[in-house]
Amino acid sequence: NAGVTQTPKFRVLKTGQSMTLLCAQDMNHEYMYWYRQDPGMGLRLIHYSVGEGTTAKGEVPDGYNVSRLKKQNFLLGLESAAPSQTSVYFCASSYSPYRGKDEKLFFGSGTQLSVL
Amino acid sequence: EDKVVQSPLSLVVHEGDTVTLNCSYEVTNFRSLLWYKQEKKAPTFLFMLTSSGIEKKSGRLSSILDKKELFSILNITATQTGDSAVYLCAPNYGGSQGNLIFGKGTKLSVKP
Repeated sequence: NAGVTQTPKFRVLKTGQSMTLLCAQDMNHEYMYWYRQDPGMGLRLIHYSVGEGTTAKGEVPDGYNVSRLKKQNFLLGLESAAPSQTSVYFCASSYSPYRGKDEKLFFGSGTQLSVL
Repeated sequence: EDKVVQSPLSLVVHEGDTVTLNCSYEVTNFRSLLWYKQEKKAPTFLFMLTSSGIEKKSGRLSSILDKKELFSILNITATQTGDSAVYLCAPNYGGSQGNLIFGKGTKLSVKP
């Protein structure tokens, strides 16, 4: 079982460059999330999606865009990378908590992004 | 404002010790509280708690929720070096969509 797969695992960008992080899940989950994790800050929600074609802002959405064209994929884009976006990014997915199923998150293995 | 506070932020113990990790929360529309263990990479699920006073156990780990006092504890007995990790607490505040808000975590180091 693949679960949640993130690509790439590592990336170094220069300030102003753009990139897209890809997240794929094979568990037929309705919800998908992008988090960033910084030292001493815990996991903070960037954007999330409750279904194909829907996205919503989380706690720290500025500087990021997302798209969910297919149920199994959730893309995170950085249009003009800044050093403040240096972080570890985690994708996660879950069933909808409103369908009586277990609502725990399953996480991908993370992407280490450095912006110089 | 929703918030989660975990304590202590870090803890160093020796193998065989018992530890208690704390999580207090203030969230609207509380639905459940989840505990995760994070080693090198992705957080892995430990427990989901929805009812007060009902202990959940998995081997040497156990957890309990107090919805009246708004806290949860995670106990680890007979600690092993493999328990070294960051432990994250995350209440689900429901709302209109259902989301988790993560605490900053407790970093546990278990020395041989």
